[in-house]
Amino acid sequence: AQSVSQHNHHVILSEAASLELGCNYSYGGTVNLFWYVQYPGQHLQLLLKYFSGDPLVKGIKGFEAEFIKSKFSFNLRKPSVQWSDTAEYFCAVNVGSARQLTFGSGTQLTVLP
Amino acid sequence: DAGVIQSPRHEVTEMGQEVTLRCKPISGHDYLFWYRQTMMRGLELLIYFNNNVPIDDSGMPEDRFSAKMPNASFSTLKIQPSEPRDSAVYFCASRDRGEQYFGPGTRLTVT
Repeated sequence: AQSVSQHNHHVILSEAASLELGCNYSYGGTVNLFWYVQYPGQHLQLLLKYFSGDPLVKGIKGFEAEFIKSKFSFNLRKPSVQWSDTAEYFCAVNVGSARQLTFGSGTQLTVLP
Repeated sequence: DAGVIQSPRHEVTEMGQEVTLRCKPISGHDYLFWYRQTMMRGLELLIYFNNNVPIDDSGMPEDRFSAKMPNASFSTLKIQPSEPRDSAVYFCASRDRGEQYFGPGTRLTVT
């Protein structure tokens, strides 16, 4: 079965710092990749997704992610974080024709003002 | 569209009681998913439906949990009897063109 690893459990940054959150998956076939964000007390919202095509994907709120197939990775980046980016970030994958998502354990991002 | 709607938003109940969580997916979405989120286990898929038919319930923890989708606009997740370890946030999501849209969740506390 596929799995998703997010190695950073808690990241603390100051405003304007650059962000990169790691995501690795274990599956050699066709994958669809997602990053979701969960603000405190709220539901998950989609930041960006990759299905095919350009491996550099741009999402909402200035986030982007790069799919590197050879590394089984889909890292999330933002050049300059804001205090309002404080949230938990989840990487997710679905494999082939499967409809369900497998989520990583999440990374809690705290941005200090 | 109002998005995925879940009710209640908060539920506090005593151990042994029956709990029913409700979900209304986004109109036109043909997949519906139930997830559970806890600090210890993260986000877990419990069950999902396609066109009202359960496709994969392998994530349902035990027989105390059951889910139904009687029509395209309504699903329930029932726990009977409830136990303190069922305390979690339960999310419903519906899917369109590969993307899942999550509801606000039901925070369940079993005392």
